[in-house]
Amino acid sequence: DVKVTQSSRYLVKRTGEKVFLECVQDMDHENMFWYRQDPGLGLRLIYFSYDVKMKEKGDIPEGYSVSREKKERFSLILESASTNQTSMYLCASSSRLRGAHTEAFFGQGTRLTVV
Amino acid sequence: GDSVTQMEGPVTLSEEAFLTINCTYTATGYPSLFWYVQYPGEGLQLLLKATKADDKGSNKGFEATYRKETTSFHLEKGSVQVSDSAVYFCARITGGGNKLTFGTGTQLKVEL
Repeated sequence: DVKVTQSSRYLVKRTGEKVFLECVQDMDHENMFWYRQDPGLGLRLIYFSYDVKMKEKGDIPEGYSVSREKKERFSLILESASTNQTSMYLCASSSRLRGAHTEAFFGQGTRLTVV
Repeated sequence: GDSVTQMEGPVTLSEEAFLTINCTYTATGYPSLFWYVQYPGEGLQLLLKATKADDKGSNKGFEATYRKETTSFHLEKGSVQVSDSAVYFCARITGGGNKLTFGTGTQLKVEL
C-alpha cells in the first residue's frame, strides 16, 4: 500500500518559533509537494521538489523554506511562525512515467495552529 | 501563469440528481488534467484524469472530458448518492512539468 506520511496530525506552536513539518514517502517518487489548504482558497502550492536537493517556489513561498536531502523525505520549515500561517498543511508525492506525470498521493495533513 | 478555475460551492443536490461541476484551465503548454476528491476527515485521492485533448477520464460513475477548444474539464455524474458528499478539486500539471496546481475546490452535499 502506497504511503505518504506526515509526522504530526496536529501541532500547536508559538509565534516566532521555528517549525519543521516532515513528510516521508515510500514509493521512490521523484516529485514532492507542500500545499496549504484554507477554507475558500483551496490548495495553494508552497514549494515543490523534482529531485534530491532541488526545489522550486510555488505560488505562496513567502515565510517558508524547504529541504530535500533524501529522495523520500521533504521538509517544510517555517523560520519564524506567525498566526497567519495557521492552516492545514498537505504533503504529496508523484512520479513521472515516460515523461508524463502520474497521480499525486497525499498525506493525511498536519493542522498547524500558531498562537 | 498556470491556473485552474472551478465553480464555487457548496452544491446541494438530492440523491439521484445529475451533477456537473465546472472547471476551466489556462491553456499554457499541454497540461494533464485531474479531478481529486476529499471525503470528510480524509486526505485527497485521485478520482480521474485525462492526459490529452478529447480524452475522457472516468471512475465510480464520474466522467470528465478534456476539451481543448473550451479549455474545460467539467466533472459529471448521472445519479449522485449521499456517499458522494465530499469536496472535489480540479487540478492541472503541464506536460513535462512538475508543478501541480489545484482549483479552490467545490463542496458537494447530497441529501436524501
